[in-house]
Parts: sequence; structure tokens; C-alpha cells
Amino acid sequence: SYVLTQPPSVSVAPGKTARVTCVGDNIETKSVHWFQLRPGQAPVVVISYDTDLPSGIPPRFSGSNFRNTATLTISEVEAGDEADYFCQVWDSSGQSYVFGSGTRVTV
Amino acid sequence: QLLQSGGEVKKPGASVKVSCEASGYTFTSYGISWVRLTPGQGLEWLGWISAYNGNTRYAQKVHDRVTLTIDKSTRTVYMELRSLRSDDTALYFCVRESLAEPGIDVFDLWGQGTMVTVSS
Repeated sequence: SYVLTQPPSVSVAPGKTARVTCVGDNIETKSVHWFQLRPGQAPVVVISYDTDLPSGIPPRFSGSNFRNTATLTISEVEAGDEADYFCQVWDSSGQSYVFGSGTRVTV
Repeated sequence: QLLQSGGEVKKPGASVKVSCEASGYTFTSYGISWVRLTPGQGLEWLGWISAYNGNTRYAQKVHDRVTLTIDKSTRTVYMELRSLRSDDTALYFCVRESLAEPGIDVFDLWGQGTMVTVSS
């Protein structure tokens, strides 16, 4: 089955840039979505289809997808960005959604 | 919005049925997936149902224990999980997505989550 690997944690100072990676075999051939999960809240999509910014998400969030790595970049990080972030793809071979293991971003 | 039923506590071997009532959009124009969140496993997809015709797809891991159904008259989707085990303890979410089949559209609307605890 398809596997997505994320670092368990990323620590960043306020105002700096955080980068969260999502590694998967030839992931650039798939559409990657990124979700933000805060305690007690439903997940929110922060990047869709590799690079699209959903309505209401600040442009400090951006995404890329190249070869075997998709990356979520959060610029000018704020305290409110502290959360768990998950990447997600649809695995057409296994006919299943696959999520990354999640990365805790600490500000 | 998607409004889910309240938390459940079940014994191992029992079944649980969680509901997800949709409002504010054309119900039959979307599908609904179910996803669960556990401390050890993270996010895991369980299955998808078309709100138009009731077609379903299930994750291989739970396909023999989960059933998704739909009641168009009440705009409600149900997720039943049978033969519960301790590792089914999780926060369960319904989420709006593609109508025709899973994997096309992004998850753009989530329920608030339903905590299911399996304990003897």
C-alpha cells in the first residue's frame, strides 16, 4: 500500500518560515491536500491540489509537489499556526485515501 | 454544515452507529466520506458513500465491519462499525467530498467529530 512519511515535529520561531514535508513514492503524480488539525476542532484544509489556497486561508500558507516530496510552507509563522498538519492523497492503485502520519508544528 | 451524533461508549464486540446530518447545501450533489483520528494511527479513511445513489466504497482494513447508509428524507448519513475492538477507539468524522466516486474532490466540509470509546 502507498505510504506517506512526515516528520513528527517541526519547531519554528514566530515570524520565521516553517516547512513540513510529505514523502511518498513519485508523489508528484498525485494531488496532495494538506489539513490543519487543532485540539477540539475539525480539520481544515489549508492547501488543496498541491498548491491551491482555499478561501479564507491566509497567503502565508503555500504548497509544492516535486518528485517524491510535497511540502507545506508557512511563512511569517504566528502562534495561531501551532497545530498538527497532515498530508493526504488518493491512491488509485489501492483505491483508498492515504494520510501522512502528521507533523506537530510548534511555535 | 455536518452535524454528528454524540459520543458513544461501547464494549468490545458490540456495534456502534454514528449519524451525520447535512444542511445548507444540495445534499444529493455530494458524497460523504468517514475518517477517524486516533493518537497512535493518526487519520484513517474508512469509506465513502454517494448521497445521490448510495454507491459505496470501503477501506480494505475495515471493509468487513463497516457499513455506510443514507436517508435522503432526513439528509442523514450513517456509519455503522461492528465487532468493535479497543483499537477502534477514535474520534470519527464525516466529511463532504466527491459525488461520483472518492478521490476527485478535496474534503471541504467536516462534521464536528464523534468520540467512540471501546472499553470493557
